[in-house]
Amino acid sequence: DAGVTQSPTHLIKTRGQQVTLRCSPKSGHDTVSWYQQALGQGPQFIFQYYEEEERQRGNFPDRFSGHQFPNYSSELNVNALLLGDSALYLCASSLRAELYSNQPQHFGDGTRLSIL
Amino acid sequence: GEDVEQSLFLSVREGDSSVINCTYTDSSSTYLYWYKQEPGAGLQLLTYIFSNMDMKQDQRLTVLLNKKDKHLSLRIADTQTGDSAIYFCAEILDSSYKLIFGSGTRLLVRP
Repeated sequence: DAGVTQSPTHLIKTRGQQVTLRCSPKSGHDTVSWYQQALGQGPQFIFQYYEEEERQRGNFPDRFSGHQFPNYSSELNVNALLLGDSALYLCASSLRAELYSNQPQHFGDGTRLSIL
Repeated sequence: GEDVEQSLFLSVREGDSSVINCTYTDSSSTYLYWYKQEPGAGLQLLTYIFSNMDMKQDQRLTVLLNKKDKHLSLRIADTQTGDSAIYFCAEILDSSYKLIFGSGTRLLVRP
């Protein structure tokens, strides 16, 4: 049973560039969330996708955008990269969860993004 | 507001019990979670508890929830060196899909 897979594992970019990170959800899951984890911090929620639409968004600028495909996989795009975007980007998948219900989010191993 | 606090560091001897504590501020939490992160890895879901429960036990793990004090704890019995990692507590609010994490507690298990 494949878990959440993310690619690439590591990436180095320079300021001003654009990056695309990819995520395949755990088998049977249809909802994908993205988190940013800065060094020494807990993950911060970027957004969640369900049925190919952004369902909820955290406090991140419009430079952060995403997409979900019909096979439930997802991409995170970041434009005009800043030094402060250096972080571990984590993808989490879950079954469809309505508000007030519990569908635990399962995480991949992340993509380590370094901005020079 | 949305705030989850954890102590930064805990050191225990192998075989002892570990207790990792967490406090949260928002009373509208519905579910509370414990995740484990080993170096270079993502987050592994350990256990979770519904906000109207007081306790949940899962093998070596015991979760205690004091809703009045907004305090959550994770007890690991018979702690092993393989338990050394960073432990995060997280909450989901009743009007939201996002996990709100604390800054993590680094657990060091000494042989």
